[in-house]
Amino acid sequence: QSVVTQPPSASGTPGQRVTISCSGSDSNIGTNPVNWYQRLPGAAPKLLIYGNDQRPSGVPDRFSGSKSGTSASLAISGLQSEDEADYFCAVWHGGLNGPVFGGGTRLTVL
Amino acid sequence: QVQLQESGPGLVKPSETLSLTCTVSGGSVSGYYWSWIRQPPGKALEWIAYIYYTGTTYYNPSLKSRVTISLDTPKNQFSLRLSSVTAADTAVYFCARLSASSTIDPWGQGTLVTVSS
Repeated sequence: QSVVTQPPSASGTPGQRVTISCSGSDSNIGTNPVNWYQRLPGAAPKLLIYGNDQRPSGVPDRFSGSKSGTSASLAISGLQSEDEADYFCAVWHGGLNGPVFGGGTRLTVL
Repeated sequence: QVQLQESGPGLVKPSETLSLTCTVSGGSVSGYYWSWIRQPPGKALEWIAYIYYTGTTYYNPSLKSRVTISLDTPKNQFSLRLSSVTAADTAVYFCARLSASSTIDPWGQGTLVTVSS
């Protein structure tokens, strides 16, 4: 079982807004910034959000991140078919001196 | 643009040593941390180890006794060795760059390693 918890699945229709949650503890999300990644089948994970709410260059502003306490969220607005992928969160865990990862959420665009 | 590519055997026998290499292109290994991460089938990603360009290493305590990470700066490569493997070590293995702010980016596309006789 992951130290950081995500729902295993999420879905939405084109144009809709969906959110994916990431729940942790004081040892990780409560004290460190959260990053979000998109992983398409057979492809390298792609950084979508870093530092809780920052978008790297080239990532559409349809993707946004937020954090409150020991939980974080990724929001995708104006859902598109190409957004169908696995999404996971990553955060530093102080006790481990390394990163921990959410179990991943498979997003289906209906 | 920095790119990473994992290479190594896709099949390893139980009790043997898994060896993987990550080749970094489009940039130097200097100035960064470099990491190995894996994802067993149906399970979450798990951090294995990371190494600073100076050679300082950090290991996941759950794997520390079996893992060695090393860096070959002239070749712009870093490597992973995991000894005494079992079926539980079957996973997709990723190499990635780790920044000082703990952001992991970029990643390699991953390589599946199966432990089986």
